[in-house]
Order: sequence, then structure tokens, then C-alpha cells
Amino acid sequence: DAKTTQPPSMDCAEGRAANLPCNHSTISGNEYVYWYRQIHSQGPQYIIHGLKNNETNEMASLIITEDRKSSTLILPHATLRDTAVYYCIVLISGNTGKLIFGQGTTLQVKP
Amino acid sequence: SQTIHQWPATLVQPVGSPLSLECTVEGTSNPNLYWYRQAAGRGLQLLFYSIGIDQISSEVPQNLSASRPQDRQFILSSKKLLLSDSGFYLCAWNPGTYGYTFGSGTRLTVV
Repeated sequence: DAKTTQPPSMDCAEGRAANLPCNHSTISGNEYVYWYRQIHSQGPQYIIHGLKNNETNEMASLIITEDRKSSTLILPHATLRDTAVYYCIVLISGNTGKLIFGQGTTLQVKP
Repeated sequence: SQTIHQWPATLVQPVGSPLSLECTVEGTSNPNLYWYRQAAGRGLQLLFYSIGIDQISSEVPQNLSASRPQDRQFILSSKKLLLSDSGFYLCAWNPGTYGYTFGSGTRLTVV
């Protein structure tokens, strides 16, 4: 699986958009970009994933660059409950993929 | 609906004692199942994954073993616990396209 690079930590003001970057310069053509988050003392939670088109769901938006070497997870209106570690992972979609977590980005949403 | 159950939620065990953590999935058949561990202040480490009954792969050498006696049951075991086995253990399954689903976790403290 390709590796990803994320900043170790970020701050965001409550109510503002949180933009979390991820670099995946060695991503393969059949690998998807997945985002998960882990709130303290809980299991990771799936947020969103995409292949090459931008994606949006009720939790977040995912912007993938045209060359697919980087992406940005956007939380449009961050709340204190969004404080968590956010993981960007590249993975071949389907049943054979092994989800390997890096260190992620610790997002601190401040009032 | 598809759900994943993991128990117990917390466990305190003495060094040298055995361990058995159980994970079951409902609402699906032949799921891919995974065990992860998160040591205090560390990232999530994949320990074992299974694509079917009696088909288990170990990702890292360790004091633990895994078994899958039934299609939707995944068990993590140890014959003799070490202090270094303390951590947060998570079971997960892969429903396919829309990301992994994680259990609520077991916090194991070896004393």
C-alpha cells in the first residue's frame, strides 16, 4: 500500500472550516483515498473516501488533486466534537485491503 | 442491520494469566475480520486479519494468537500475558466499498 504524509497537529476555531491535508505521491491507479478519525478512547470512524473525483457526504468533503498525489479533507463547520486524530489512508477498495494506519493529524477545535 | 460486537469493554489481568477477547459480526456472511492494538500514546497497529474460517494471517510477531472458529467470530488469545500486552484492542470488519467498521474496543491493563 502507498504511504501518506500528514501534519502531526492542527488547530481550528469552532465554527470555521477545518482543512486537513494529506500527501500520497506514490498512490497507484486503483488505490482509493480513505479518511478515518478516532475520538479519544473510541474506535476509528469512517468519514469518506474517493478515487479521483471530489466527494461530499453529511460529515465532510474530500478534494483530490487532478494528479491524485494529494488530497484535503474539509470539515465545513468544525465543532468541539470534531476534536480527534484524523487518518488519511490509501487502499485498494474491496475485501482484500488491509487498513494500515499512520500517525495521523491531531485536530484540536478551539472555542 | 450489520453490527459488530466486542467484549469485554475493560479488562485487568495479572502478568502470566491467559487472555481471550471475542468479536462477533451480525448481518453479514464471510466478512474479512481484523484485530488492531493501540498502545498508550501510540498509533493503531494491525495484529491479525482473517478472510475466512481458519484463514488467519499475522502481521507482527508477538505474544498473541487469533482464531476464527465460526464465520462471524474472531477471537484474540494469549496463553501468558506480558506487561507490554497492555493497550486498547479493536476488532474491525470490512464490508467492502464503504470503509471498515470498528468495534467499541477492549481496554486491557496487564498488572
